[in-house]
Amino acid sequence: DGGITQSPKYLFRKEGQNVTLSCEQNLNHDAMYWYRQDPGQGLRLIYYSQIVNDFQKGDIAEGYSVSREKKESFPLTVTSAQKNPTAFYLCASSIELTGSNQPQHFGDGTRLSIL
Amino acid sequence: AQSVAQPEDQVNVAEGNPLTVKCTYSVSGNPYLFWYVQYPNRGLQFLLKYITGDNLVKGSYGFEAEFNKSQTSFHLKKPSALVSDSALYFCAVRDRGDYKLSFGAGTTVTVRA
Repeated sequence: DGGITQSPKYLFRKEGQNVTLSCEQNLNHDAMYWYRQDPGQGLRLIYYSQIVNDFQKGDIAEGYSVSREKKESFPLTVTSAQKNPTAFYLCASSIELTGSNQPQHFGDGTRLSIL
Repeated sequence: AQSVAQPEDQVNVAEGNPLTVKCTYSVSGNPYLFWYVQYPNRGLQFLLKYITGDNLVKGSYGFEAEFNKSQTSFHLKKPSALVSDSALYFCAVRDRGDYKLSFGAGTTVTVRA
């Protein structure tokens, strides 16, 4: 089955530690996205990527970094600079970034907490 | 700029009764509109979308939504709710030609038996 796989499902971060969240898709989609979900706030865009080796900051990129070395993979690193990282992180993909009316497809998320 | 408002944080209905989840939007151009559902500790699942044409859009699991351009609304409806419809529902909008999908804050639906 085609879809998006996020791992791990739960992750704990210690003070001063960087952690990386994995996102892999086998939908052959060009565009990929990272969102942060906090209770009562909907989804906020962290980073997005239109194509391999290209990515752009979203609305809340500070304290986060990404890479897009392969079409299938878009890992997110939560750095120690992100002072309030506790949230539910969702990865998504779509056929293309613009010009398409197709919906984004989502993984099942990673819940990050502070130790 | 684009934005989405879901005016109700919670909607409670009895099983078998009609369910409506409200959404209004703001875009500078013509919108693509989407509804998603989220179950606890899961990702968002796509329910339906409005692109163009018929204002009444039918989607998955018996849901439908009505696009109203004059009221800039895209309310989600289900004629007869099930207990299994209890979940968090998100409305989203994208301006055509833009990359960004803007989400509402979400509405928690509880269907009691």
